[in-house]
Amino acid sequence: DPKIIQKPKYLVAVTGSEKILICEQYLGHNAMYWYRQSAKKPLEFMFSYSYQKLMDNQTASSRFQPQSSKKNHLDLQITALKPDDSATYFCASSQEGKNSDYTFGSGTRLLVI
Amino acid sequence: QQKVQQSPESLIVPEGGMASLNCTSSDRNVDYFWWYRQHSGKSPKMLMSIFSNGEKEEGRFTVHLNKASLHTSLHIRDSQPSDSALYLCAASASNMGYKLTFGTGTSLLVDP
Repeated sequence: DPKIIQKPKYLVAVTGSEKILICEQYLGHNAMYWYRQSAKKPLEFMFSYSYQKLMDNQTASSRFQPQSSKKNHLDLQITALKPDDSATYFCASSQEGKNSDYTFGSGTRLLVI
Repeated sequence: QQKVQQSPESLIVPEGGMASLNCTSSDRNVDYFWWYRQHSGKSPKMLMSIFSNGEKEEGRFTVHLNKASLHTSLHIRDSQPSDSALYLCAASASNMGYKLTFGTGTSLLVDP
């Protein structure tokens, strides 16, 4: 059984629209993250949350908004979608504390047309 | 901003051969390194981590770390076709919280 569930697996969106990427983890971790991976670029850190509080935000655009309704949920709302937003978005989690191993979800592959 | 550089960009080794991958950080605050493996279309999976100078071995995988030069290397002996994947190096720094910074990866192809 997957320990981190990301939905949907694939998503096609029209430029200018808004989408929400879902992430739930069942590992009992209290830190959660969003990363983005696009062609020829490193896996890029976006946000980190600990106990449902934002710890770090490395995303320049306010179009990306994380939402944490429960300790084991960290969704990502993206507004005014652009073709450059096309990427695979990975959710990850770890136990709080520096140097804890990350576990990644299977990712949501987003294509903006 | 912290940079993690990996080399080579791609590597082909024969089945049964040794693959050697390199990673260096430019941030003197880095104190922990990870190696992840990502098969095509899949999510990254943690292979090994290291924070002490020296070497760590797990099965066919050996990781080295030189803290003075902030250089780590991953060596895969007796490489198998199933080892063909993107290998990602990640680093964390004492002043950067829980964030991992990743390199662009080394694409390994094991030729049967």
